[in-house]
Amino acid sequence: QVQLVQSGAEVKKPGSSVKVSCKASGGALNKNPIHWVRQAPGEGIEWMGGFVPIFGTTEYAQKFQGRVTITTDASTSTGDMELRSLRSEDTAVYYCARVIYLSRAPLKPSFWFDPWGQGTLVIVSS
Amino acid sequence: DIQMTQSPSSLSASVGDRVTFTCQASQDISNYLNWYQQKPGKAPKLLIYDASNLETGVPSRFSGSGSGTHFTFTINSLQPEDIATYYCQQYDDLPITFGQGTRLEIK
Repeated sequence: QVQLVQSGAEVKKPGSSVKVSCKASGGALNKNPIHWVRQAPGEGIEWMGGFVPIFGTTEYAQKFQGRVTITTDASTSTGDMELRSLRSEDTAVYYCARVIYLSRAPLKPSFWFDPWGQGTLVIVSS
Repeated sequence: DIQMTQSPSSLSASVGDRVTFTCQASQDISNYLNWYQQKPGKAPKLLIYDASNLETGVPSRFSGSGSGTHFTFTINSLQPEDIATYYCQQYDDLPITFGQGTRLEIK
């Protein structure tokens, strides 16, 4: 059974960048992309972006456009998320999650996140 | 963006109770909705996909229903291990959005 293992916690200065990695173990990602979400302390869940097969592109939430880069390497079953120009509001737990697509034409494919990584705490503080 | 509104924001119930909470979408999302359970300090876990399909291995006391803009999540016979926050998530359109969560406590 596939598990996602993320890199460790980070403490960063405002204005710097952070790169969080996510590796699949117990199986390959195959064609399933990795998406990234984050959760600020005591807050809800916010989608950041990921590869969307029906579009053939990596899509990002507008809030993070220009500041985030998400990549998936199927050959190594890893995914990375780099967030730049960090500010204090970026302090959060960042999760990777495998996307499962199920075709059910003519309807949209089913889409869900499973499994999730264990989360990586990123603290942005001067 | 499609707004997902969950209610109530928190709920207290007794072991054995039937518990129901809701998720309202700001526009019609058909059945493009999933439910996740997040226990304190842990990552979310998929429970229900496509509004009403139980993920493999998830206890049958969990169920989901609804379509369009109104969705319901039910736990029959609440168990102590069900203490968690539950989130709905839509995938009808980008950006993917989540509800703010319903925190479930045991009386």
